[in-house]
Amino acid sequence: QQQVKQSPQSLIVQKGGISIINCAYENTAFDYFPWYQQFPGKGPALLIAIRPDVSEKKEGRFTISFNKSAKQFSLHIMDSQPGDSATYFCAAGGYSTLTFGKGTMLLVSP
Amino acid sequence: EAGVTQFPSHSVIEKGQTVTLRCDPISGHDNLYWYRRVMGKEIKFLLHFVKESKQDESGMPNNRFLAERTGGTYSTLKVQPAELEDSGVYFCASSPLARGRRTDTQYFGPGTRLTVL
Repeated sequence: QQQVKQSPQSLIVQKGGISIINCAYENTAFDYFPWYQQFPGKGPALLIAIRPDVSEKKEGRFTISFNKSAKQFSLHIMDSQPGDSATYFCAAGGYSTLTFGKGTMLLVSP
Repeated sequence: EAGVTQFPSHSVIEKGQTVTLRCDPISGHDNLYWYRRVMGKEIKFLLHFVKESKQDESGMPNNRFLAERTGGTYSTLKVQPAELEDSGVYFCASSPLARGRRTDTQYFGPGTRLTVL
């Protein structure tokens, strides 16, 4: 049973465009929702995270939107750059562990 | 500050052999986690140490997997005997003990890519 569903699997965006990745979760006990960015040959690195007491968090070009009633959250990358090309994972945290989505491969074309 | 390190970066073994993966967490991090990603699938939790104690090992696939954390520092994950389905990338992550919050930032290592032939 997949507890965190992530879409799309892959995404191609033109430079300067907006990249949007969506995730949905099932377990209402989750209370921490991070997004990780992974480049080839590297481990996942925390990009931005949100807790359910806020509906939006912005850090630079990256924004998380969180909808508690719908049990959904999304990552928006504004002004996408070729250097943003990577695999993005959403995750949901309960007591200490993280449950991940399957990942989205983002390619930003020059 | 050094990040989480893992050794080896790659390992290719034959079915039935034994492999030991090592993880060195960030200094001072009491929480240590092991995760695994099979190709094309999600990163899945295997187990969680708090210092030298196993806090949660609900994600361990079976008794062919043995994890230890000596003295609450580095950790090893041994697979014995390895099977084809054990192939994947094994990630280690660490975090400091949370203060009042249940989940905090986990810092991941680069992973060990295990291939079982």
